[in-house]
Amino acid sequence: QVQLVESGGGVVQPGGSLRVSCAASGFTFRNYGMHWVRQAPGKGLEWVVFIRHDGSNTKDADSVKGRFTISRDNSNNTLYLQMNSLRPEDTAVYYCAKDMGRGLNFYYYMDVWGKGITVTVSS
Amino acid sequence: DIQMTQSPASVSASVGDRVTITCRASQGISTWLAWYQQKPGKAPKFLIYGASSLQSGVPSRFTGSGSGTDFTLTISSLQPEDFATYYCQQANSFPLTFGGGTKVEV
Repeated sequence: QVQLVESGGGVVQPGGSLRVSCAASGFTFRNYGMHWVRQAPGKGLEWVVFIRHDGSNTKDADSVKGRFTISRDNSNNTLYLQMNSLRPEDTAVYYCAKDMGRGLNFYYYMDVWGKGITVTVSS
Repeated sequence: DIQMTQSPASVSASVGDRVTITCRASQGISTWLAWYQQKPGKAPKFLIYGASSLQSGVPSRFTGSGSGTDFTLTISSLQPEDFATYYCQQANSFPLTFGGGTKVEV
């Protein structure tokens, strides 16, 4: 079945860096755009960043611009989120999510989600 | 950025009730709207896209409607498994944005 599994979360000090990963299975990963969405403790959902199926273009939220970078390895069916200059307000559960659109058919709806990984920024 | 405003923030309901949640966009988004359901400690679940199209496997008691700036999610007869928080999301333009959520509780 279609599955997304995040890994690499943990506790990091303010100003530090962390890379989280998302392993995809059960679908042709290279055909779909991917998102990262986060949820701070007790708060709602916040879209963070998107990457096209072929990695040719990315979009990100102003709150992470210049600090977070999304990338993908289509040969290994893996999505990454590199987080630098981390702040306490980046503390959240980070979800990777598959875009509904295939190839150049963009929809920007998230039809499959991983279980999430916790990132805590604290000294 | 397009702001998404949901109301109410919470609603008390009973099994069998009809529940309606509203989502308003700060500018027109045609029908580029999705709805998600989230239970505590779980990932969101994709329910509806294109404002009114039901995702495969989602029960038909869930109905979405609207276009432009005003949208609704209706649960025709609330079931025990429907107690959760619901979010709308606009897919019209980046940055993608979610509503603040509506908690459906007993």
